[in-house]
Amino acid sequence: EDKVVQSPLSLVVHEGDTVTLNCSYEVTNFRSLLWYKQEKKAPTFLFMLTSSGIEKKSGRLSSILDKKELFSILNITATQTGDSAVYLCAVSDNYGQNFVFGPGTRLSVLP
Amino acid sequence: EAGVAQSPRYKIIEKRQSVAFWCNPISGHATLYWYQQILGQGPKLLIQFQNNGVVDDSQLPKDRFSAERLKGVDSTLKIQPAKLEDSAVYLCASSLGTGAHSYEQYFGPGTRLTVT
Repeated sequence: EDKVVQSPLSLVVHEGDTVTLNCSYEVTNFRSLLWYKQEKKAPTFLFMLTSSGIEKKSGRLSSILDKKELFSILNITATQTGDSAVYLCAVSDNYGQNFVFGPGTRLSVLP
Repeated sequence: EAGVAQSPRYKIIEKRQSVAFWCNPISGHATLYWYQQILGQGPKLLIQFQNNGVVDDSQLPKDRFSAERLKGVDSTLKIQPAKLEDSAVYLCASSLGTGAHSYEQYFGPGTRLTVT
């Protein structure tokens, strides 16, 4: 059965800290790994990763995938209170189907 | 560009009643997804449509849940009869369905269902 594990499940930091969120997965016929930010209801798309070792970057957020070790990390530098959210990791199979989400990491950034 | 629209935003029903949710995806998006998100968990895919055809409904409890996407645009998800454990947020998402960005899903605001 396909599975996505995220760690830590919860994290509290202060503004300015750097955080690393982890996502490991087991999926048949892996195609892509996606990161989402969920603040209230609707997750918003952050990154899609399909190739190992290629860092994707957007402002203070960056992410990289290791297909050999079956994991990805999401880094957030110089955190701000607005980064407080649940960060979700999801994987899909080679047919763009069977999307499986992890439980999420709840990040709280204190002023 | 208008986002994914869902209605209603909130619904409270008693167990054994029926309920329906509506989703209008982003214009031009061929793929539509329905997810169930129970409090404290990640979204769980219920059904995925490509245009008006079902490509994955392996996790849809078919004895009580049904979904359709007539004409390949809007979609409805129905629960009949509802159980207490169906209390969750029901998220609809859409994606282009083709090309390099086909897997980027855009989510609607969700419908929070409470079954009492």
